[in-house]
Amino acid sequence: AQKITQTQPGMFVQEKEAVTLDCTYDTSDPSYGLFWYKQPSSGEMIFLIYQGSYDQQNATEGRYSLNFQKARKSANLVISASQLGDSAMYFCAMREGAVDYKLSFGAGTTVTVRA
Amino acid sequence: DSGVTQTPKHLITATGQRVTLRCSPRSGDLSVYWYQQSLDQGLQFLIQYYNGEERAKGNILERFSAQQFPDLHSELNLSSLELGDSALYFCASSGVSVGTEKDEQYFGPGTRLTVT
Repeated sequence: AQKITQTQPGMFVQEKEAVTLDCTYDTSDPSYGLFWYKQPSSGEMIFLIYQGSYDQQNATEGRYSLNFQKARKSANLVISASQLGDSAMYFCAMREGAVDYKLSFGAGTTVTVRA
Repeated sequence: DSGVTQTPKHLITATGQRVTLRCSPRSGDLSVYWYQQSLDQGLQFLIQYYNGEERAKGNILERFSAQQFPDLHSELNLSSLELGDSALYFCASSGVSVGTEKDEQYFGPGTRLTVT
């Protein structure tokens, strides 16, 4: 079974608008972490934001915020005030437990920001 | 710049050959992870080392092996290469100790391997 599901293969957003990228996860471990990474066309993986399973508040990092709905097992990324430089592939990932820290990744969502 | 370095950036080799990919983690990070990104498999975890010891293993083929040295740099060895091994190989590092929650993995720029 897929641990991380990203159902939107591609999205278009107008510059300066907000965009929400969906991510649902599947785990039975009470302790887990959720991550979002950005991969521009140059190929590097850039860490954006982290949400722990026990965190009470939604994580925010600048223009990035994570809408964490634990009961629904969803961890959607919201990018506010989109910029042309936000055009990239975005990956949701999960770490289960607290013994090893390997990440399971979703298939990714391509975001294209239009001027 | 994540602080994680990987060499080489590109590698082109023939089927049946052996290659070594190198990774230097961020200063102070004890954990190193290797991931493979291919078009058909997506991003997959291969193996993790923590302070020189293997910590976790994922979908790593028997033809692949890795190690982490006392100076904490790591090498991923790929042997008897096949066309399907062509992929982007990432190294990531983190500084978290086992048992804590937050673990931000910082990725290197990747090594793009092309097997012809």
